[in-house]
Amino acid sequence: GDSVTQMEGPVTLSEEAFLTINCTYTATGYPSLFWYVQYPGEGLQLLLKATKADDKGSNKGFEATYRKETTSFHLEKGSVQVSDSAVYFCALHGGTSYGKLTFGQGTILTVHP
Amino acid sequence: GAVVSQHPSRVICKSGTSVKIECRSLDFQATTMFWYRQFPKKSLMLMATSNEGSKATYEQGVEKDKFLINHASLTLSTLTVTSAHPEDSSFYICSARDRGRYTDTQYFGPGTRLTVL
Repeated sequence: GDSVTQMEGPVTLSEEAFLTINCTYTATGYPSLFWYVQYPGEGLQLLLKATKADDKGSNKGFEATYRKETTSFHLEKGSVQVSDSAVYFCALHGGTSYGKLTFGQGTILTVHP
Repeated sequence: GAVVSQHPSRVICKSGTSVKIECRSLDFQATTMFWYRQFPKKSLMLMATSNEGSKATYEQGVEKDKFLINHASLTLSTLTVTSAHPEDSSFYICSARDRGRYTDTQYFGPGTRLTVL
Protein backbone atom coordinates (compact mmCIF):
# COMPACT_ATOMS: atom_id res chain seq x y z
CA GLY A 1 0.00 0.00 0.00
CA ASP A 2 0.84 3.66 -0.09
CA SER A 3 3.24 5.07 2.48
CA VAL A 4 5.05 8.31 3.32
CA THR A 5 8.25 8.60 5.32
CA GLN A 6 9.42 11.90 6.78
CA MET A 7 12.69 12.70 8.43
CA GLU A 8 12.73 12.27 12.16
CA GLY A 9 12.31 15.39 14.21
CA PRO A 10 12.29 17.58 16.03
CA VAL A 11 14.23 20.06 13.94
CA THR A 12 15.60 23.12 15.73
CA LEU A 13 17.00 26.04 13.75
CA SER A 14 18.03 29.62 14.28
CA GLU A 15 16.16 32.35 12.47
CA GLU A 16 17.30 32.86 8.86
CA ALA A 17 18.75 29.35 8.63
CA PHE A 18 18.10 27.08 5.66
CA LEU A 19 15.45 24.41 6.13
CA THR A 20 15.13 20.99 4.56
CA ILE A 21 12.60 18.39 5.66
CA ASN A 22 12.96 15.15 3.76
CA CYS A 23 9.97 13.21 2.51
CA THR A 24 9.95 10.00 0.47
CA TYR A 25 6.98 7.98 -0.63
CA THR A 26 5.83 4.64 -1.95
CA ALA A 27 2.72 4.52 -4.08
CA THR A 28 1.07 2.67 -6.91
CA GLY A 29 -0.33 4.74 -9.71
CA TYR A 30 0.42 8.44 -10.09
CA PRO A 31 0.05 10.18 -6.73
CA SER A 32 -0.33 13.85 -5.98
CA LEU A 33 1.94 15.12 -3.22
CA PHE A 34 1.22 17.67 -0.50
CA TRP A 35 2.80 19.48 2.39
CA TYR A 36 0.51 20.56 5.20
CA VAL A 37 1.45 22.70 8.21
CA GLN A 38 -0.15 22.55 11.65
CA TYR A 39 0.32 25.37 14.13
CA PRO A 40 -0.22 24.60 17.83
CA GLY A 41 -3.83 23.88 18.68
CA GLU A 42 -5.03 24.25 15.12
CA GLY A 43 -6.02 22.10 12.17
CA LEU A 44 -3.90 21.50 9.10
CA GLN A 45 -3.32 24.14 6.46
CA LEU A 46 -2.33 23.27 2.92
CA LEU A 47 1.14 24.69 2.36
CA LEU A 48 1.85 23.51 -1.18
CA LYS A 49 1.20 20.69 -3.58
CA ALA A 50 2.41 19.06 -6.79
CA THR A 51 0.34 16.82 -9.01
CA LYS A 52 2.87 15.32 -11.41
CA ALA A 53 6.54 14.55 -11.77
CA ASP A 54 8.91 17.54 -11.93
CA ASP A 55 6.21 19.93 -10.71
CA LYS A 56 7.40 22.42 -8.10
CA GLY A 57 4.98 23.56 -5.45
CA SER A 58 5.73 26.84 -3.69
CA ASN A 59 4.11 29.08 -1.11
CA LYS A 60 5.28 31.58 1.54
CA GLY A 61 8.93 30.96 0.64
CA PHE A 62 8.61 27.18 0.94
CA GLU A 63 9.29 24.94 -2.07
CA ALA A 64 9.12 21.26 -2.88
CA THR A 65 9.76 19.45 -6.16
CA TYR A 66 8.05 16.19 -7.13
CA ARG A 67 10.93 13.84 -7.97
CA LYS A 68 9.63 10.60 -9.42
CA GLU A 69 13.09 9.10 -9.97
CA THR A 70 13.90 9.35 -6.26
CA THR A 71 10.26 9.15 -5.05
CA SER A 72 10.83 12.27 -3.00
CA PHE A 73 9.13 15.58 -2.18
CA HIS A 74 11.53 17.38 0.14
CA LEU A 75 10.41 20.66 1.69
CA GLU A 76 12.84 23.59 1.61
CA LYS A 77 12.96 27.20 2.70
CA GLY A 78 15.92 29.47 2.31
CA SER A 79 15.47 31.56 5.45
CA VAL A 80 13.16 30.44 8.23
CA GLN A 81 11.38 32.72 10.67
CA VAL A 82 10.21 32.17 14.23
CA SER A 83 6.66 32.16 12.90
CA ASP A 84 7.46 29.04 10.84
CA SER A 85 7.61 26.98 14.04
CA ALA A 86 4.97 24.28 13.56
CA VAL A 87 4.48 20.63 12.65
CA TYR A 88 4.91 19.81 8.97
CA PHE A 89 3.19 16.83 7.34
CA CYS A 90 4.03 15.32 3.99
CA ALA A 91 1.11 13.49 2.39
CA LEU A 92 0.14 11.76 -0.79
CA HIS A 93 -3.12 11.21 -2.57
CA GLY A 94 -2.74 8.09 -4.59
CA GLY A 95 -4.63 7.24 -7.74
CA THR A 96 -6.14 4.18 -6.12
CA SER A 97 -6.95 5.61 -2.69
CA TYR A 98 -10.39 7.03 -3.48
CA GLY A 99 -9.48 10.43 -2.15
CA LYS A 100 -7.79 9.29 1.05
CA LEU A 101 -4.58 10.97 2.10
CA THR A 102 -1.63 8.99 3.38
CA PHE A 103 0.36 11.05 5.88
CA GLY A 104 3.91 10.97 7.07
CA GLN A 105 4.48 11.02 10.80
CA GLY A 106 5.02 14.77 10.94
CA THR A 107 8.14 16.79 11.70
CA ILE A 108 8.22 19.33 14.49
CA LEU A 109 10.10 22.49 13.55
CA THR A 110 11.22 25.00 16.17
CA VAL A 111 12.88 28.22 15.07
CA HIS A 112 14.70 30.31 17.67
CA PRO A 113 15.36 34.05 17.38
CA GLY B 1 -8.31 29.36 -0.75
CA ALA B 2 -10.99 26.91 0.27
CA VAL B 3 -12.29 27.24 3.82
CA VAL B 4 -13.55 24.50 6.11
CA SER B 5 -15.05 25.29 9.49
CA GLN B 6 -15.65 23.10 12.51
CA HIS B 7 -17.92 23.65 15.44
CA PRO B 8 -17.41 23.63 18.34
CA SER B 9 -13.71 24.31 18.62
CA ARG B 10 -13.64 22.96 22.15
CA VAL B 11 -16.09 20.91 24.18
CA ILE B 12 -16.05 19.41 27.64
CA CYS B 13 -18.66 16.82 28.51
CA LYS B 14 -19.50 14.28 31.18
CA SER B 15 -18.90 10.58 30.66
CA GLY B 16 -21.91 8.88 29.08
CA THR B 17 -23.18 11.87 27.16
CA SER B 18 -23.11 12.36 23.39
CA VAL B 19 -21.33 15.13 21.54
CA LYS B 20 -21.93 16.34 18.00
CA ILE B 21 -19.21 18.01 15.94
CA GLU B 22 -20.05 19.85 12.71
CA CYS B 23 -17.81 20.23 9.69
CA ARG B 24 -18.75 22.68 6.94
CA SER B 25 -17.16 23.55 3.62
CA LEU B 26 -17.83 27.27 3.29
CA ASP B 27 -16.99 28.08 -0.31
CA PHE B 28 -17.16 24.80 -2.18
CA GLN B 29 -19.28 21.69 -2.33
CA ALA B 30 -17.80 18.51 -0.95
CA THR B 31 -19.29 15.14 -1.82
CA THR B 32 -16.60 13.59 0.35
CA MET B 33 -15.42 14.62 3.78
CA PHE B 34 -13.06 12.83 6.11
CA TRP B 35 -12.87 12.57 9.87
CA TYR B 36 -9.53 12.20 11.64
CA ARG B 37 -8.41 11.80 15.18
CA GLN B 38 -5.08 13.12 16.40
CA PHE B 39 -3.32 12.14 19.60
CA PRO B 40 -0.73 14.46 21.18
CA LYS B 41 2.42 14.76 19.09
CA LYS B 42 1.14 12.15 16.66
CA SER B 43 0.07 12.13 13.07
CA LEU B 44 -3.54 12.02 12.00
CA MET B 45 -5.49 8.78 12.16
CA LEU B 46 -8.24 8.49 9.57
CA MET B 47 -11.46 7.38 11.23
CA ALA B 48 -13.94 7.40 8.38
CA THR B 49 -14.84 8.71 4.98
CA SER B 50 -18.13 10.58 4.86
CA ASN B 51 -20.01 10.41 1.56
CA GLU B 52 -22.89 12.76 0.81
CA GLY B 53 -26.16 10.91 0.62
CA SER B 54 -24.77 7.52 1.58
CA LYS B 55 -23.29 5.65 4.50
CA ALA B 56 -19.89 6.49 5.81
CA THR B 57 -16.98 4.14 5.28
CA TYR B 58 -15.16 3.39 8.51
CA GLU B 59 -11.53 2.42 8.90
CA GLN B 60 -10.65 -0.86 10.50
CA GLY B 61 -10.96 -0.74 14.25
CA VAL B 62 -13.26 2.29 14.39
CA GLU B 63 -16.64 1.57 15.99
CA LYS B 64 -19.34 2.83 13.66
CA ASP B 65 -22.01 2.69 16.38
CA LYS B 66 -19.90 4.88 18.63
CA PHE B 67 -18.81 7.42 16.04
CA LEU B 68 -21.93 8.27 14.04
CA ILE B 69 -21.37 10.17 10.83
CA ASN B 70 -24.00 11.96 8.81
CA HIS B 71 -23.37 13.79 5.53
CA ALA B 72 -26.76 15.19 4.68
CA SER B 73 -25.70 17.97 2.35
CA LEU B 74 -22.83 18.91 0.08
CA THR B 75 -21.47 21.35 2.65
CA LEU B 76 -22.09 19.67 6.00
CA SER B 77 -20.91 16.51 7.72
CA THR B 78 -21.43 15.73 11.38
CA LEU B 79 -19.63 13.39 13.75
CA THR B 80 -21.45 12.31 16.88
CA VAL B 81 -19.48 10.65 19.63
CA THR B 82 -22.07 8.58 21.46
CA SER B 83 -21.82 7.63 25.12
CA ALA B 84 -18.47 9.36 25.38
CA HIS B 85 -15.83 8.09 27.79
CA PRO B 86 -12.53 9.62 28.91
CA GLU B 87 -10.61 7.54 26.38
CA ASP B 88 -12.52 9.35 23.62
CA SER B 89 -10.85 12.59 24.65
CA SER B 90 -8.85 13.74 21.67
CA PHE B 91 -8.43 16.32 18.92
CA TYR B 92 -10.86 15.61 16.07
CA ILE B 93 -10.20 17.14 12.68
CA CYS B 94 -12.34 17.02 9.57
CA SER B 95 -11.39 17.66 5.99
CA ALA B 96 -13.40 18.28 2.86
CA ARG B 97 -12.41 17.11 -0.60
CA ASP B 98 -12.48 19.79 -3.25
CA ARG B 99 -12.64 17.81 -6.45
CA GLY B 100 -12.96 19.50 -9.79
CA ARG B 101 -11.69 19.10 -13.28
CA TYR B 102 -8.25 20.44 -12.44
CA THR B 103 -8.05 19.95 -8.73
CA ASP B 104 -8.30 17.25 -6.11
CA THR B 105 -7.28 18.62 -2.72
CA GLN B 106 -8.35 18.13 0.88
CA TYR B 107 -8.87 21.20 3.01
CA PHE B 108 -8.91 20.82 6.77
CA GLY B 109 -11.00 22.32 9.49
CA PRO B 110 -9.43 23.93 12.57
CA GLY B 111 -10.17 20.92 14.76
CA THR B 112 -12.30 20.23 17.82
CA ARG B 113 -10.76 19.49 21.20
CA LEU B 114 -12.99 17.01 23.05
CA THR B 115 -12.46 16.42 26.76
CA VAL B 116 -14.60 13.79 28.47
CA LEU B 117 -14.64 13.98 32.25
